[in-house]
Amino acid sequence: QQQVKQSPQSLIVQKGGISIINCAYENTAFDYFPWYQQFPGKGPALLIAIRPDVSEKKEGRFTISFNKSAKQFSLHIMDSQPGDSATYFCAASVTGNTGKLIFGQGTTLQVKP
Amino acid sequence: GAGVSQSPSNKVTEKGKDVELRCDPISGHTALYWYRQRLGQGLEFLIYFQGNSAPDKSGLPSDRFSAERTGESVSTLTIQRTQQEDSAVYLCASSRNTGELFFGEGSRLTVL
Repeated sequence: QQQVKQSPQSLIVQKGGISIINCAYENTAFDYFPWYQQFPGKGPALLIAIRPDVSEKKEGRFTISFNKSAKQFSLHIMDSQPGDSATYFCAASVTGNTGKLIFGQGTTLQVKP
Repeated sequence: GAGVSQSPSNKVTEKGKDVELRCDPISGHTALYWYRQRLGQGLEFLIYFQGNSAPDKSGLPSDRFSAERTGESVSTLTIQRTQQEDSAVYLCASSRNTGELFFGEGSRLTVL
């Protein structure tokens, strides 16, 4: 019940295309859903985050879509660029400690020029 | 420094030895976390420190793992009697009052 399931494991997209990564969770107590981006040899960095009181959040080319009833959320990267090539992790946590996160397994994104 | 600093960046040790990993959080960040990242896997929560409160140790995988933090500064993660399954990247993160996590670059541990 504590798991966050992420798919796909890997993704190849052409430059300018849309990258979509999906996550699903079981624990209805989760109320904070961040996405982290990790480049090789670096620590993860927060990309964008959402709380369940909204269904969508957009920051530049990155959008989170959230479906509370389905217990699913997804990351959309519009106009994907080679510089977006990285590993993306979804995560979730409960009220009171947004830093104690349950992470998905990660998606390795490759954007081809 | 401006970011979270971890040392050593790489550590190779023999099975059965003890190792210590160090984390210097961002100045002023009251919360500090340790996570473990096995090859090709997501991050696993290990332990969390918040100010002077008792640490949340709920993620530590065995009693061979322990961590300390001095006030709101440096933290040390200790793994005793290392096993091959302990091989992973150990990531430290800090935040202001459990907000956004800022991760270090990690300490890569290889147990032979």
